[in-house]
Amino acid sequence: DIQMTQSPSSLSASVGDRVTITCRASQGIRNDLGWYQQKPGKAPKRLIYAASSLQSGVPSRFSGSGSGTEFTLTISSLQPEDFATYYCLQHNSYLLTFGGGTKVEIK
Amino acid sequence: QVTLKESGPVLVKPTETLTLTCTVSGFSLSNARMGVSWIRQPPGKALEWLAHIFSNDEKSYSTSLKSRLTISKDTSKSQVVLTMTNMDPVDTATYYCARIEVAGFDYWGQGTLVTVSS
Repeated sequence: DIQMTQSPSSLSASVGDRVTITCRASQGIRNDLGWYQQKPGKAPKRLIYAASSLQSGVPSRFSGSGSGTEFTLTISSLQPEDFATYYCLQHNSYLLTFGGGTKVEIK
Repeated sequence: QVTLKESGPVLVKPTETLTLTCTVSGFSLSNARMGVSWIRQPPGKALEWLAHIFSNDEKSYSTSLKSRLTISKDTSKSQVVLTMTNMDPVDTATYYCARIEVAGFDYWGQGTLVTVSS
């Protein structure tokens, strides 16, 4: 199975900060990776697909990059509504795997 | 408008079999290159993919849970069913179904919390 290592597991940041979250795949997955945001008590919501494509309706402050084994989600200017937990998901293999999650908290 | 909704028991006893149903609308389970997955999330923990089924009836299961899971679909009823045998308290989680397409999960159900306790 492909393992997805996500870091950091949590971070504290202020409104307006630039935030970067990383996922590393245990083997190459091309660009078969998505980023999801989850707020407490809610289902996850897709932000980025195909590693760098912005989901319709998602603010442009969210961006994704990477290919192969290293991927990054960047929030260019953190907003109050962005405090949440973020997950990466690889779907290169028929056995899908999520990263362990990154909780973004208010500093 | 695409929607998915999970249904099933709120409480199951250890060793029992869990049966969950995902009822979809706004798309057909016969749509090519689409399918439905089940994902779970124990309280306070990360998401875990469990299984998926595609329009051609192709199925895949989590390696760690494969022996306990069965996924099936009834296209005429727009339903996908997941069964998990031999439930244990560690299986307590919110169970989600989600539509899977070529770029991952695009629509999710609201989730259903299943507690395993005697």
